Amino acid sequence: SQTIHQWPATLVQPVGSPLSLECTVEGTSNPNLYWYRQAAGRGLQLLFYSVGIGQISSEVPQNLSASRPQDRQFILSSKKLLLSDSGFYLCAWSSEGGPETQYFGPGTRLLVL
Amino acid sequence: AQSVTQPDIHITVSEGASLELRCNYSYGATPYLFWYVQSPGQGLQLLLKYFSGDTLVQGIKGFEAEFKRSQSSFNLRKPSVHWSDAAEYFCAVGAGYQKVTFGIGTKLQVIP
Repeated sequence: SQTIHQWPATLVQPVGSPLSLECTVEGTSNPNLYWYRQAAGRGLQLLFYSVGIGQISSEVPQNLSASRPQDRQFILSSKKLLLSDSGFYLCAWSSEGGPETQYFGPGTRLLVL
Repeated sequence: AQSVTQPDIHITVSEGASLELRCNYSYGATPYLFWYVQSPGQGLQLLLKYFSGDTLVQGIKGFEAEFKRSQSSFNLRKPSVHWSDAAEYFCAVGAGYQKVTFGIGTKLQVIP
């Protein structure tokens, strides 16, 4: 069966510090991978998605970036965090092709102080 | 572009009572529709999905949802709510490769 992991689970970072959140998927090949941010009362905001190694699509211009160095690894990064980057970050995967069903990881709670 | 509306931000029901969470979508063709549940501090878990066929969809944990094209709705129902159902529920619509749009969620409180 497929599983998706995210780490760290919780992170407290000062403003201006760098960020690296990692997501890995097991039990599937060539998944589509997604990064979402969830802010209270605002639902899920799609940040990035990837259909393959090195292929990243950005949905929202901001100071975050994503990379996919391996088939089942998806990394969310920032060079300098802003207060507004605080939130709950969710990684998700779906099978190659459609129909679209996304499966979510446990999330990372980021607090920028 | 597709959109999803969950008109109820908070809902409170008594344990054992029936539940209906509303979801309306906007999309020009037949969408893919989903309901997810999120417990505090956790990721989203898929409850059920509709792609085609029977418009009444059964999911996990005793939930069901009905697709009504004429009303552009995909409401989630459960005949008898348990305290463990307290969580936040998200409706989502997929309308093409890769893209899924989520509603802002409905928080369910269950009182004894």
